[in-house]
Formats: sequence, structure tokens, C-alpha cells
Amino acid sequence: LAKTTQPISMDSYEGQEVNITCSHNNIATNDYITWYQQFPSQGPRFIIQGYKTKVTNEVASLFIPADRKSSTLSLPRVSLSDTAVYYCLVAKGSNYQLIWGAGTKLIIKP
Amino acid sequence: SQTIHQWPATLVQPVGSPLSLECTVEGTSNPNLYWYRQAAGRGLQLLFYSVGIGQISSEVPQNLSASRPQDRQFILSSKKLLLSDSGFYLCAWSSRTEGPYNEQFFGPGTRLTVL
Repeated sequence: LAKTTQPISMDSYEGQEVNITCSHNNIATNDYITWYQQFPSQGPRFIIQGYKTKVTNEVASLFIPADRKSSTLSLPRVSLSDTAVYYCLVAKGSNYQLIWGAGTKLIIKP
Repeated sequence: SQTIHQWPATLVQPVGSPLSLECTVEGTSNPNLYWYRQAAGRGLQLLFYSVGIGQISSEVPQNLSASRPQDRQFILSSKKLLLSDSGFYLCAWSSRTEGPYNEQFFGPGTRLTVL
């Protein structure tokens, strides 16, 4: 059964780099990995998506090893406003399935 | 630009009452549409998705149903609410091209409390 697993919570401090890892052991060849951010009482918001190796945009980087069984979301120099829940999503193209992780609650301290 | 609307924003309903939540999307055509539920302090649970008018796929067996009467309208319904139906209901859309890989855009959500 396809599943994505991520830590329940993490703490860090302003200015630090934060890495959140998601495990997706049953990922298939044509599956993509996406990360979302959610603030309380709001819908999730897209952060970044990747298939393999490394992807970088203006807010984050996504590292995916060659076996693609995990992925790591990297947030550089976090601020208090990065306190949120971060979700890992594996989108399976073979059967139009969306496998969401349970979310990682990230708390940034001053 | 595209926008997604959900209403109502909050709803308090007694157990056993019916439910109808509506979601509409503007500024795009032929979107994929999704309904999610989020229980308090929990993750996202995909309830239904739709790739076209009248085409609904259910992810979780429950007392909820969904309909898509128009291209950009998605409705979530129940004939009799249960206490366990309480939660934050989110509608989302994505471009239909490239199937499930596309970025999903979420609405503001409806907070439902069943008493």
C-alpha cells in the first residue's frame, strides 16, 4: 500500500536552515513529489515539486535521491512566518491517486 | 486570474441534518476538482475528485456524496450528518493537463461543526 511518512513536528530558530524529510518507499516511475504549506484555517499552498535530483525555487529546495524513496524539503534561513504545517504529496499518474503525508508541524522560535 | 470560492465559511448543523457545500472556480476551464476534509489537528483526507462534469471518483466510503453539475461547480452533500463529519472542508482545483501532477489551488474552506 502506497504511503508517505513524515515527522509529526519539528522546531527550529530564526535564520536556520530547516530540512523536512518524507519517506515514500513505494514510489513508482511516473510519480511526482510535491510539498505544500498550510497556515491555520487556510487551505494549503504549493511550495515546490520535483521528480528527481534537486529542484530550487525562490522559497525552497527539494532534494530527491536516485532511488526516489524519500525527499527532503529544505527551507533556507527560516523566519517566524514559516511556522506552519508542511505536507508531502506523492501524485501517482498510473491510477490518478494522491498520497498525502500526515503533515509536519514546523515551529520557528525567535 | 483564477479564483476559487467556497461557501458558507462556517456552518453549525445538528446530527442527522442534511448538508450542502458549494465550490466554484473562476478564470479557468475544464479543471480537476477536489474535496478534502481535515479533522481538527489532523492531515488532509481526500474525499472526492472530478475530472469532468458528472465524473466523480470517491476515495473514502462515507455518508457524503459529491456532484459536478457544471464545469466549474463542485458540490459536497450529505443526507444525514454524523458527529464525525465535523471538520474543515476544502475544495481545490488543478489544471487538467498532465493529470494528477499539477499544482492544486485551494479554496478558503468551510468549517463544519456537527452537534
